[in-house]
Amino acid sequence: GAVVSQHPSRVICKSGTSVKIECRSLDFQATTMFWYRQFPKKSLMLMATSNEGSKATYEQGVEKDKFLINHASLTLSTLTVTSAHPEDSSFYICSATPLAGGHEQYFGPGTRLTVT
Amino acid sequence: EDQVTQSPEALRLQEGESSSLNCSYTVSGLRGLFWYRQDPGKGPEFLFTLYSAGEEKEKERLKATLTKKESFLHITAPKPEDSATYLCAIQETSGSRLTFGEGTQLTVNP
Repeated sequence: GAVVSQHPSRVICKSGTSVKIECRSLDFQATTMFWYRQFPKKSLMLMATSNEGSKATYEQGVEKDKFLINHASLTLSTLTVTSAHPEDSSFYICSATPLAGGHEQYFGPGTRLTVT
Repeated sequence: EDQVTQSPEALRLQEGESSSLNCSYTVSGLRGLFWYRQDPGKGPEFLFTLYSAGEEKEKERLKATLTKKESFLHITAPKPEDSATYLCAIQETSGSRLTFGEGTQLTVNP
């Protein structure tokens, strides 16, 4: 139980284009979904918190116009990296907290974004 | 401000050699402390949640304990497949966000 998927697992895009990453909770409904970024050999950096049907809350220093988050349902959140640049290349990971249950966050497998 | 410090940064063990990983934290009010395992190129895998000092949780060769200032992840007779980065995170009573430590990279040699 508590499985979270992400799609795509890897994406390469050209500088200036936009990329959408999907995060789905497969066997539970999620009150809250989170988006993280992870640099090589570093820990997870929280980018934003989203609740279904409301605007995402972004962490300090994260550009909300660049990293668009939509939480369309209790099982789906999307992150769109707009006008991507090489410095946006990173490992993006989402997580979700079940509607029914404790406070754990269950993580997706991550999406490796490379901007050329 | 919440803070999580993990030590050591890296640990090499021989198969069967038991050891402990440390997670020290400061927080105004702790809702929970979480342990995760992360393999290279993958998302973190949930291991344990600890809510109050004195609590212990076990899963196979892993045992997590909690005090008011730190948590330990004890690994008994580790195997090479236990090699991974172990992450500790805390959650305040006032919110849902997790604050992560930098992790301990564990390598278990056969």
